Amino acid sequence: GQQVMQIPQYQHVQEGEDFTTYCNSSTTLSNIQWYKQRPGGHPVFLIQLVKSGEVKKQKRLTFQFGEAKKNSSLHITATQTTDVGTYFCAGVYYGGSQGNLIFGKGTKLSVKP
Amino acid sequence: NAGVTQTPKFQVLKTGQSMTLQCAQDMNHEYMSWYRQDPGMGLRLIHYSVGAGITDQGEVPNGYNVSRSTTEDFPLRLLSAAPSQTSVYFCASSYSDRGRLHFGNGTRLTVT
Repeated sequence: GQQVMQIPQYQHVQEGEDFTTYCNSSTTLSNIQWYKQRPGGHPVFLIQLVKSGEVKKQKRLTFQFGEAKKNSSLHITATQTTDVGTYFCAGVYYGGSQGNLIFGKGTKLSVKP
Repeated sequence: NAGVTQTPKFQVLKTGQSMTLQCAQDMNHEYMSWYRQDPGMGLRLIHYSVGAGITDQGEVPNGYNVSRSTTEDFPLRLLSAAPSQTSVYFCASSYSDRGRLHFGNGTRLTVT
């Protein structure tokens, strides 16, 4: 079946360092969504990317969608302790409905003050 | 506007017991779904619905049953609980089949 691979599984950084998580799909995606889950919380939507090569920014967060629409990345500049949590990507495949929203396994970010 | 409401927040069951996890949304979303989250496994889709009266299976449907009699409610039934169903369960809704998901706060279920 379709899979979205996300790496790394864990990332430990010192506060102020940058952080990047990557998602890859073997087949072309219709769009990709990113979510953040704080410890003990529920996933919260961050952004959706739809267009090939799209780049979107939210303050210190930069999201990219690859030209082939098979990969995506989330980059956080100068991490803060408030960035702690697990970041998930979720790919939507062409021809699918909500049943075709496939989540990556997430990257758990810890930030040492 | 409450969003997606899940009850209960915590539940302990004994093997073989049945129960229903409740999920309700007040955003008039057509699409609703249930996920389970286990350590290192991410979010796995159990069942989903594209509208009242329509449900379909996700990646891990065995041992679970759903129905969608109204737009607002999408309960998840565990027919005969097993320890392998110990997990955190999230209900989610969306305005479209490709739109952002709004998650409930989750139900932490332990089966002993």
